[in-house]
Amino acid sequence: GAGVSQSPSNKVTEKGKDVELRCDPISGHTALYWYRQSLGQGLEFLIYFQGNSAPDKSGLPSDRFSAERTGGSVSTLTIQRTQQEDSAVYLCASSLWLLAGETYEQYFGPGTRLTVT
Amino acid sequence: GQQVMQIPQYQHVQEGEDFTTYCNSSTTLSNIQWYKQRPGGHPVFLIQLVKSGEVKKQKRLTFQFGEAKKNSSLHITATQTTDVGTYFCAGGDNFNKFYFGSGTKLNVKP
Repeated sequence: GAGVSQSPSNKVTEKGKDVELRCDPISGHTALYWYRQSLGQGLEFLIYFQGNSAPDKSGLPSDRFSAERTGGSVSTLTIQRTQQEDSAVYLCASSLWLLAGETYEQYFGPGTRLTVT
Repeated sequence: GQQVMQIPQYQHVQEGEDFTTYCNSSTTLSNIQWYKQRPGGHPVFLIQLVKSGEVKKQKRLTFQFGEAKKNSSLHITATQTTDVGTYFCAGGDNFNKFYFGSGTKLNVKP
């Protein structure tokens, strides 16, 4: 079946502009995660969704970052007034999340490479 | 805040040699997951450990979760060139939030 998809695959934007990144999770996956990966670095947790709600937004780097998920499916990560330090690969992952305390493997999308000039 | 440290950052081995990467958490974890990321690719799930002291094997890969659920290791026996990539651990807390280690980049010389 189809995996996690993200769009766009690449985004070059000017400093100060807003960008919107999209994630289409695997159908039926109730959990959705956003991570940021700078070149050669590990993954930095940004936010996760359980259904449409985001229990933990503590990973968002600043108030310029926001995310939403509608219909328990597609999610968008919005970065306002982009800065050069926002340049990174933004990865989305989804997983099953059926029971409290149960965790499942995360399926990652190919990522969106964001370059802020 | 919670942190997961991973060492070494890089490892260069000759094909056939063994490889180990270690993860340590500042707090007790609910579970730990391991991922492999090939150059230019995205992380791919390898395994999840949940129980204290758990050991799981996948062919040449052996995964361990410490008794205190604060550390974990991945050991590869007799590395092959196909093992090249970056290996990440991800510690999960009780709220399904994951803290990724910085990764160990493995290079295997044929």
